[in-house]
Amino acid sequence: AQKVTQAQTEISVVEKEDVTLDCVYETRDTTYYLFWYKQPPSGELVFLIRRNSFDEQNEISGRYSWNFQKSTSSFNFTITASQVVDSAVYFCALSHSGGSNYKLTFGKGTLLTVNP
Amino acid sequence: DGGITQSPKYLFRKEGQNVTLSCEQNLNHDAMYWYRQDPGQGLRLIYYSQIVNDFQKGDIAEGYSVSREKKESFPLTVTSAQKNPTAFYLCASMGLGSQPQHFGDGTRLSIL
Repeated sequence: AQKVTQAQTEISVVEKEDVTLDCVYETRDTTYYLFWYKQPPSGELVFLIRRNSFDEQNEISGRYSWNFQKSTSSFNFTITASQVVDSAVYFCALSHSGGSNYKLTFGKGTLLTVNP
Repeated sequence: DGGITQSPKYLFRKEGQNVTLSCEQNLNHDAMYWYRQDPGQGLRLIYYSQIVNDFQKGDIAEGYSVSREKKESFPLTVTSAQKNPTAFYLCASMGLGSQPQHFGDGTRLSIL
């Protein structure tokens, strides 16, 4: 069975602080995908990143960066110099890779509040 | 613009009533999904469909039904058998072999 754990339920920071959102996953698959989604107060889920289990390179996109460590089954997300617009619920998710099964398993999410 | 349209945005259900949530996509995606989100919870999969006229139960299918008569449409019916239907419902779609899933704006269902 697959499982995604986001241990931080809520995080509150002051604008311009750096913040890291943790994600730990469990899977028996050797090939899988990991995702991060952002859910602003309006409710829609916005895709941020997809990472294949074979690609352990860290990725940076503007103020966002992701650290994938297969050895610890973690896929952490860092926001540098946070802004008020970053306030949202962030979900980490895991899926099988290949075949006909493309179901996503989500963590419970981390509510990030960035205060001015 | 291509995307996923969910309607209505807000829906109210009376006791013993079935209600249907609409999900339409013009992305030409093969797979479509319905998720339920409760406060402080992640998304839980209700039903999914990978091709027209075929669908599978997810983790919490009891009290729900779906149909997939057209590629672009995947309506979800919340039946009277679903005793706790108050939640935020999200529809998603995906091109097979080309993740990620893309999501609609959601429908918030409440009990009158």
